[in-house]
Parts: sequence; structure tokens; C-alpha cells
Amino acid sequence: ILNVEQSPQSLHVQEGDSTNFTCSFPSSNFYALHWYRWETAKSPEALFVMTLNGDEKKKGRISATLNTKEGYSYLYIKGSQPEDSATYLCASSNQGGKLIFGQGTELSVKP
Amino acid sequence: DSGVTQTPKHLITATGQRVTLRCSPRSGDLSVYWYQQSLDQGLQFLIQYYNGEERAKGNILERFSAQQFPDLHSELNLSSLELGDSALYFCASSEAGATYEQYFGPGTRLTVT
Repeated sequence: ILNVEQSPQSLHVQEGDSTNFTCSFPSSNFYALHWYRWETAKSPEALFVMTLNGDEKKKGRISATLNTKEGYSYLYIKGSQPEDSATYLCASSNQGGKLIFGQGTELSVKP
Repeated sequence: DSGVTQTPKHLITATGQRVTLRCSPRSGDLSVYWYQQSLDQGLQFLIQYYNGEERAKGNILERFSAQQFPDLHSELNLSSLELGDSALYFCASSEAGATYEQYFGPGTRLTVT
């Protein structure tokens, strides 16, 4: 994988559903993986930064895991709420600091 | 409010012109990052500065340049502007390098006519 890839591209769920997205990134020369939440007409908001294989982070109903050996990260949202509707971006960084962003997963949560 | 400020909020200019975008990082943050978001592409990393020095370079055109000043604010200079340079330009700051959370400013919307 030369680029950062996210799937699915978009997701429509009902309020209360739990959901997850995938971010795949180059495992060679990996340094850090960032997750962002980006609401329409706003700026990206940092959710997590992860560096270690097996790392797991949690913020409220949102959590993320990291597998640096196989080059993927999962973002989970438990009990989705309409206010969770946003685009979720991941970005991978190498040791040189260059960040490569995925195209994002657009989440829509219907009440 | 992330604590990162960017000016101006909007900028409309003609092809061939030169503009300067300004970013003030959060208090205490040493790193500044510049990003471009155009309609046909996602968020593209342009360049990173750390404590006044260039740290990492992304897909930044030769017509673009940036610097970080001793007071840690940063400027992104865009010259010989083309229609394709129309985009939203974000600045972000973090305490240090790539393992720290980045805080994004509100962005500058550049329109080249």
C-alpha cells in the first residue's frame, strides 16, 4: 500500500447503531497514525494519535486500535448519535514527519 | 476554538498575483503545519516547521514557500497564482512533532479568478 486508504467511503446508520471504519497505511517507515473528525464548514478536530503496535485509545464512545505490522487502524463508534455525523479522516506519518491523509469516511447518523 | 488563528478568512485575487497567508499557533506550540484542501483532492500536507526550521515537506509547489518566525507565527506565500490554486488552506499547530495532536485553525479560503 503506497497511500493511506479508508473504507468505507460513506456510511449511513441509525441512531444507536455501533459502527467502525478502517484505515490502511504503509507499514514500512511508519511513525504515527492520526484520526480526525471533520464536520462540514468546520476545521478538522484531532481525535487520537497512536504510535505503538497494539495501541488502543478511547474518548467517550469513540475508540481506535492500531496494528503497525499489518498497517491498519480501526475506529469504532459505540451507540452512534446524530451529532457524530462527520467525515472521519486518518493520516499516517513517517519519521520524517510527512503526513499522508486518507480520503475519509463520511458518516451520517439518522435519528 | 482551537487556539490557532489564521488570517485572512477569505481572499480573492487574480491569476499571476502573489498572496501571503498568516497563521498564529496555539500558545506554547512549536510546530506549525500547512495543508491544502481543494475540491478535487482531499487534505494535502504541504509543509511543517518546528521552532523556526523546516522539518518536513509534502506536496508543496515551487511557487509556494513558507517560513516560521522567531515568535513562532508562520506565513505561507503563494506566487504566480493559477486557477487551480483556489482552495482552502489550513494551518495546524502541535507541541512538537508527528506524535502530538494537531490543532487546526479555521482556514483561509483562497479564490483565484
